[in-house]
Amino acid sequence: GAVVSQHPSWVICKSGTSVKIECRSLDFQATTMFWYRQFPKQSLMLMATSNEGSKATYEQGVEKDKFLINHASLTLSTLTVTSAHPEDSSFYICSARDPARGVQPQHFGDGTRLSIL
Amino acid sequence: AQKITQTQPGMFVQEKEAVTLDCTYDTSDPSYGLFWYKQPSSGEMIFLIYQGSYDQQNATEGRYSLNFQKARKSANLVISASQLGDSAMYFCAMTNNFGNEKLTFGTGTRLTIIP
Repeated sequence: GAVVSQHPSWVICKSGTSVKIECRSLDFQATTMFWYRQFPKQSLMLMATSNEGSKATYEQGVEKDKFLINHASLTLSTLTVTSAHPEDSSFYICSARDPARGVQPQHFGDGTRLSIL
Repeated sequence: AQKITQTQPGMFVQEKEAVTLDCTYDTSDPSYGLFWYKQPSSGEMIFLIYQGSYDQQNATEGRYSLNFQKARKSANLVISASQLGDSAMYFCAMTNNFGNEKLTFGTGTRLTIIP
């Protein structure tokens, strides 16, 4: 149980393109999802907290106009990297927790490797 | 603010030996949760073990155990009888409020198991 699906796994696109990444909770409803970014050989850094039906909460230093987050349903959050540039190339990964299961860990999607040419 | 410190960037361990990965933390919250995740080269984050700040006993999950020393603010991961498949990055992480909030990660330890 508590499966999180992330799509796509890989994206390679030209500079200036906008890229949308989806994060779905498959067998539970997630009012809150989290988006992380990981550069090579570094740790995961939280970018934003996605809240169903309301605006996302962004961490300090993360451009909200650059990384658009939409959490329109209890099972889906999307991260859109707008006008992506090579410095946006990274590994993006989402997580969510099933609140109905009491004390449970956050489960992660498999991540999206984004490469901007 | 919460902080996680992992002081071992890399470790090499002989297969079948036990290994301890260090993790210390800092928080002003009395209620918090500590987690260990494994990240293979493929990138996915695999949950290994959880310890709540009020848990009296150390958590165990199969070959994984968490050596929780609250006074020292340490939460070391112990892997018994290591296997080649244990080679991966290992991240220690914490939340406040028992997992309801965002995770703060340490810098990770790359574990390599030698045949």
